[in-house]
Amino acid sequence: KAGVTQTPRYLIKTRGQQVTLSCSPISGHRSVSWYQQTPGQGLQFLFEYFSETQRNKGNFPGRFSGRQFSNSRSEMNVSTLELGDSALYLCASNHGTTQSYNEQFFGPGTRLTVL
Amino acid sequence: SQKIEQNSEALNIQEGKTATLTCNYTNYSPAYLQWYRQDPGRGPVFLLLIRENEKEKRKERLKVTFDTTLKQSLFHITASQPADSATYLCALPFMDSSYKLIFGSGTRLLVRP
Repeated sequence: KAGVTQTPRYLIKTRGQQVTLSCSPISGHRSVSWYQQTPGQGLQFLFEYFSETQRNKGNFPGRFSGRQFSNSRSEMNVSTLELGDSALYLCASNHGTTQSYNEQFFGPGTRLTVL
Repeated sequence: SQKIEQNSEALNIQEGKTATLTCNYTNYSPAYLQWYRQDPGRGPVFLLLIRENEKEKRKERLKVTFDTTLKQSLFHITASQPADSATYLCALPFMDSSYKLIFGSGTRLLVRP
C-alpha cells in the first residue's frame, strides 16, 4: 500500500497570504489528523477528520481550518498567515473506526515558511 | 493542565549498549501510550503502543514499560546501532473538549559506532 502523501513538500508565503495544504491518506483509512511541528512547541494537534466531518479539534485559532472529501483526502487551510505559522505541517491517517489514535501513519510533511 | 516531559538533552551512547529514554506525564491517566521515531525532515514513524494494563511490551530490540503509579514510560533499545540515531517521541491520548494525541518534545538519540 502507498503511504500517506502530502503536497506540496515545501512552500514559501508572505504574511497575510493564505495557504492550502493537501493530504492523501493510506487507502482504506478514514481518519486524517493534522499536526503542526515547530522547534519551540514541538508536535501539536490541529484537528482530526473522519468521514468528512471534523471529529476533534486542538487549540489553534480559527485561521486554521480543514476539510475532508468523500475519498478521505483532506486539505488544511491557513488564512492571514503570520510569521509564527512557519512550521512543518504533518498529516497522519489511521483506520479511525473508533475514537482512538492507535498507530498513526504520518506523511512526510509540508515545510511552510512565512516571510 | 496535562504535561508530558521527555529529556530534552540528547542521549549519546556507544554502539552495542542499551539506550533508555524516559517519558513522564502529569495530571492525567492515559489509557495507552505510544512511542514514535522521527528522522530529520521526515514524519514520525510508529514503533510501539502499550496499554495501561500492560507493564511491558517488546518488539525485536525495543522494549517499553508503563508505570501508571509513577506516571512514567521507559523506552529501551538493546544492542543499539548507529542506524537507531533519531529523535524518539512519546505520545498520549487526552480528552478535554476534544479527543487528541499529545506528543512529548522528544529525545534525540545518538549512537556512536
